[in-house]
Amino acid sequence: RKEVEQDPGPFNVPEGATVAFNCTYSNSASQSFFWYRQDCRKEPKLLMSVYSSGNEDGRFTAQLNRASQYISLLIRDSKLSDSATYLCVVNYNAGNMLTFGGGTRLMVKP
Amino acid sequence: ETGVTQSPTHLIKTRGQQVTLRCSSQSGHNTVSWYQQALGQGPQFIFQYYREEENGRGNFPPRFSGLQFPNYSSELNVNALELDDSALYLCASSQNQGLETQYFGPGTRLLVL
Repeated sequence: RKEVEQDPGPFNVPEGATVAFNCTYSNSASQSFFWYRQDCRKEPKLLMSVYSSGNEDGRFTAQLNRASQYISLLIRDSKLSDSATYLCVVNYNAGNMLTFGGGTRLMVKP
Repeated sequence: ETGVTQSPTHLIKTRGQQVTLRCSSQSGHNTVSWYQQALGQGPQFIFQYYREEENGRGNFPPRFSGLQFPNYSSELNVNALELDDSALYLCASSQNQGLETQYFGPGTRLLVL
């Protein structure tokens, strides 16, 4: 079983749609959680951190459920520029290693 | 742009050869982490260097080695290359092992034939 699991997609949605991605992690000792965005043939970039209380950044909302070991990302009013792969990322110990999920590919169409 | 640079951008090697990849960290950053990203997968942690010392290692064999220089730039060395080593190799720099301030370089694409 992978440590961080995501549906690979692709999710094909029209502009303006709301789309949600889910992610599960296996290590209950996980401490920090993130969503990264990776464009085709580019490096990953931090989209947002995920906090227990949930957090929002514009059209993006992230939620964490520690009891179920589940993380989500909601994108409202999708734009063409949101087309990318979204990587769920978990840190098990303070300091170093990030564990990435396999990514969920999103394609927003006109 | 993040200020993290990697060289070379692309590389083709044959099985059994050795390769050295380089990473220059962002100014002010003393921590460099290396990741391997196979096609269609997420990045996998190889190891991290903090103030010139290895500071954590993922599930990679000893033929993956590295070092960090006094200016905090870093090298990843892979010996006895295998076909499965073909991947995008990413380095990420941060200050004092910080996670939210970890910035990735553009990567080196390695193809092993």
